[in-house]
Amino acid sequence: AQSVTQLGSHVSVSEGALVLLRCNYSSSVPPYLFWYVQYPNQGLQLLLKYTSAATLVKGINGFEAEFKKSETSFHLTKPSAHMSDAAEYFCAVSDARNTPLVFGKGTRLSVIA
Amino acid sequence: NAGVTQTPKFQVLKTGQSMTLQCAQDMNHNSMYWYRQDPGMGLRLIYYSASEGTTDKGEVPNGYNVSRLNKREFSLRLESAAPSQTSVYFCASLEDRTLSGANVLTFGAGSRLTVL
Repeated sequence: AQSVTQLGSHVSVSEGALVLLRCNYSSSVPPYLFWYVQYPNQGLQLLLKYTSAATLVKGINGFEAEFKKSETSFHLTKPSAHMSDAAEYFCAVSDARNTPLVFGKGTRLSVIA
Repeated sequence: NAGVTQTPKFQVLKTGQSMTLQCAQDMNHNSMYWYRQDPGMGLRLIYYSASEGTTDKGEVPNGYNVSRLNKREFSLRLESAAPSQTSVYFCASLEDRTLSGANVLTFGAGSRLTVL
């Protein structure tokens, strides 16, 4: 069965600092991996997805994530945090056998001025 | 381009009351999902429907029923609400896997339910 672990339920960074949100997955087959973002009182929006085409995936708003099979990781990064990045971020995994996405518990990102 | 529409946005129930959360999508997606979101728990799948006429249990189906009324609509029913069902509920639909090869979910804005 697939699973996702997000390390750190809350991450706080200064404006302009590097953002690093960690995600490790478990899957018995090559996975599809996703990062979603949720702004306050809204639904989730797709940030980026990994589908085996390239290990470094670029998403919206300057975010990117790198798939590392040897580490079973898919960490999300952004070189310079902006106040508007404050939100909750969810990592999710699915295998190729038509199973629903499994989400991590989420990481709340705070950006300090 | 409404996407996924959920109603109601807010609801307060008393223990034992019943209600139905409605969800409709206008993107011609085959698959639809109901998740609940609780603090520190992330999103947990309640039920899903891979296609019109089929439904399957997810991780936390107890206390819920679903109906895939047609390709557009997927409703979630609480027959006898309990305080443990206080949560934010999200409906989502999935673009056709055979086209994209990856399951990108489109989410509704959520329905906040409080059971007293």
